[in-house]
Amino acid sequence: AQSVTQPDIHITVSEGASLELRCNYSYGATPYLFWYVQSPGQGLQLLLKYFSGDTLVQGIKGFEAEFKRSQSSFNLRKPSVHWSDAAEYFCAVGDSGAGSYQLTFGKGTKLSVIP
Amino acid sequence: NAGVTQTPKFQVLKTGQSMTLQCAQDMNHEYMSWYRQDPGMGLRLIHYSVGAGITDQGEVPNGYNVSRSTTEDFPLRLLSAAPSQTSVYFCASSYSILNTGELFFGEGSRLTVL
Repeated sequence: AQSVTQPDIHITVSEGASLELRCNYSYGATPYLFWYVQSPGQGLQLLLKYFSGDTLVQGIKGFEAEFKRSQSSFNLRKPSVHWSDAAEYFCAVGDSGAGSYQLTFGKGTKLSVIP
Repeated sequence: NAGVTQTPKFQVLKTGQSMTLQCAQDMNHEYMSWYRQDPGMGLRLIHYSVGAGITDQGEVPNGYNVSRSTTEDFPLRLLSAAPSQTSVYFCASSYSILNTGELFFGEGSRLTVL
């Protein structure tokens, strides 16, 4: 079964600093990988996704993520964090095999931003 | 453009009571799903549907029923609520979960069972 690990429960960064959120997955074949963001009291919104091709993917709000098959990782990065980026971030993996209709989510990383 | 609409946003139940969480989407998405979110647990899939008349269980289906009579609606029923079902529930839909994987989420329904 597929699984996702987000090692960091809570990260605090200063505004303007760079950010990297870690995500490791377990899956037998090439996975579909996603990062979602959840602002307080809201549902989740897709930031970016990887299906195939270029391993560095760009998303909304200036975020990017890099798929590294050798490390089973899909880390999320942003060069300069804004106060509005404070939220909870979820990594998810989908089954690229036929007939699967489930995304498995990690437990999330809460990001706090210090002005 | 409403997207995914969930009602109610807040609900308090007593143990043993029943209720239905409503979910409607206006994007003509075939795929719809229900997740529950608990602190430190992330999101866990309860049930999903790939089209009208078709439903299946996710990771944590016990205590919940679903049906899909139309493309637009996917209600989640709690037949006999238990305190362990206290959670925030999210409905999500997708144009094509297999091809795009992108889920569109509602704003959530916070349920407390006393």
